[in-house]
Amino acid sequence: DAGVIQSPRHEVTEMGQEVTLRCKPISGHDYLFWYRQTMMRGLELLIYFNNNVPIDDSGMPEDRFSAKMPNASFSTLKIQPSEPRDSAVYFCASSTRQGYSIGNQPQHFGDGTRLSIL
Amino acid sequence: ILNVEQSPQSLHVQEGDSTNFTCSFPSSNFYALHWYRWETAKSPEALFVMTLNGDEKKKGRISATLNTKEGYSYLYIKGSQPEDSATYLCALGGGADGLTFGKGTHLIIQP
Repeated sequence: DAGVIQSPRHEVTEMGQEVTLRCKPISGHDYLFWYRQTMMRGLELLIYFNNNVPIDDSGMPEDRFSAKMPNASFSTLKIQPSEPRDSAVYFCASSTRQGYSIGNQPQHFGDGTRLSIL
Repeated sequence: ILNVEQSPQSLHVQEGDSTNFTCSFPSSNFYALHWYRWETAKSPEALFVMTLNGDEKKKGRISATLNTKEGYSYLYIKGSQPEDSATYLCALGGGADGLTFGKGTHLIIQP
């Protein structure tokens, strides 16, 4: 079975450019999460969706960050304009409730996008 | 803001030895505790999800315990092997939220 698919795996771009990260969740999963991994702060939740609807975006650091989920099989995280401090590994994860609360269901992570802003 | 603490930050263990490390979390409003293994250049992989005080879970040589009253979980690895080298993350799950992760314990198994 295909897992969570993220693209690109690596992105290097110059400060001020727009960056778009993409995620395809596992088919049938109705929750999608975006996380950011940095040395200083570890793995932080940025935003999550349930049935394509954003539920909590309180972790999104600034207005420069935006995320969309136009359908059940695709989500994007966009940074515009990008800054060097946005350099990090960005993970997408998906999960499903299976009748329980989402908090006690394991999340399935993609391989991440390593973003470097010069 | 939930505070999830893991200790130690890093750990070197001889192959064949057993080891354990800790995840501490606020005991109030507890819902679920997750453990993930994260190998370099790969994605975090779920090991266990525990919800009940006194829960014990096992997968091969790896096991975990949970004490929700005092707010901690232990992860044990018996007879460490080189393939156990990874960062082990614990995370708190809420009733309707994403996960709040600790910063992980980086485990290195030395042959």
